Amino acid sequence: AQSVTQLGSHVSVSEGALVLLRCNYSSSVPPYLFWYVQYPNQGLQLLLKYTTGATLVKGINGFEAEFKKSETSFHLTKPSAHMSDAAEYFCAVSGSNSGYALNFGKGTSLLVTP
Amino acid sequence: GAVVSQHPSRVICKSGTSVKIECRSLDFQATTMFWYRQFPKKSLMLMATSNEGSKATYEQGVEKDKFLINHASLTLSTLTVTSAHPEDSSFYICSAKPGSETQYFGPGTRLLVL
Repeated sequence: AQSVTQLGSHVSVSEGALVLLRCNYSSSVPPYLFWYVQYPNQGLQLLLKYTTGATLVKGINGFEAEFKKSETSFHLTKPSAHMSDAAEYFCAVSGSNSGYALNFGKGTSLLVTP
Repeated sequence: GAVVSQHPSRVICKSGTSVKIECRSLDFQATTMFWYRQFPKKSLMLMATSNEGSKATYEQGVEKDKFLINHASLTLSTLTVTSAHPEDSSFYICSAKPGSETQYFGPGTRLLVL
C-alpha cells in the first residue's frame, strides 16, 4: 500500500518568494509520485509526475519537484510565487500493486500575498 | 490532449431520487476510470475503480448498491447515486487512465441533495 503525508495544511508566501510544499511518501513498491493543483470548484490539473529516471522533474507553471528516496520525499518548489498560484495542492502516490489508483495527501492550501 | 469531461457540472435533486453522472475521455481511450468523492476543504477519497467491460472495484466502506458504476465503453463511465440523501451531497470527480500510470481528471460534479 502507498500513502503520502503533506506537512502543513496552509502555506502563505509573499508574491515573488520561494514556494515550498512538502510531501513525504510511504510505499512498499517503487512509487509513482504526482503533484496536482485544484482551483476552487474545479477538477485537478497535473503539475508534474515522477515515475522513473531523473529525480528532478519539471512541471507546468514553473513548478518542479525532486524525488529523494533516502528521505522518502517529493517536495514541490517554485522559485517565485505568483498571485495566480494561490490554490489547493495535492501530492499523490500510486504503484503497480494497486492498479495505479492514486492515494492523495490531505492537501496544502497555498496563499500568496501581495 | 488528455481531456476528460463530466456531465452535469452541478445538479440539485430531491431526496430519494437517483442521479447519473457521466465521465468521458474525449481524446483517448481509457481502460480504467476512477471515481473520487471530495468533501469541502478535504482531500479526494477514492470510491471505486472502473474497468471497461467488467464490474467496478469498490473501496472499503463504499456501498456498491448505493453508488452504481458502469463502464460500458472505453470512453464513458457513469456513476449513479441511487436514492440520494442529503449526506450524499458532495463534489464527485472522475479520472481516466489511458494505459499509462497517469490519471487525467474531469472538472467535477457538484451534487446537492435537498
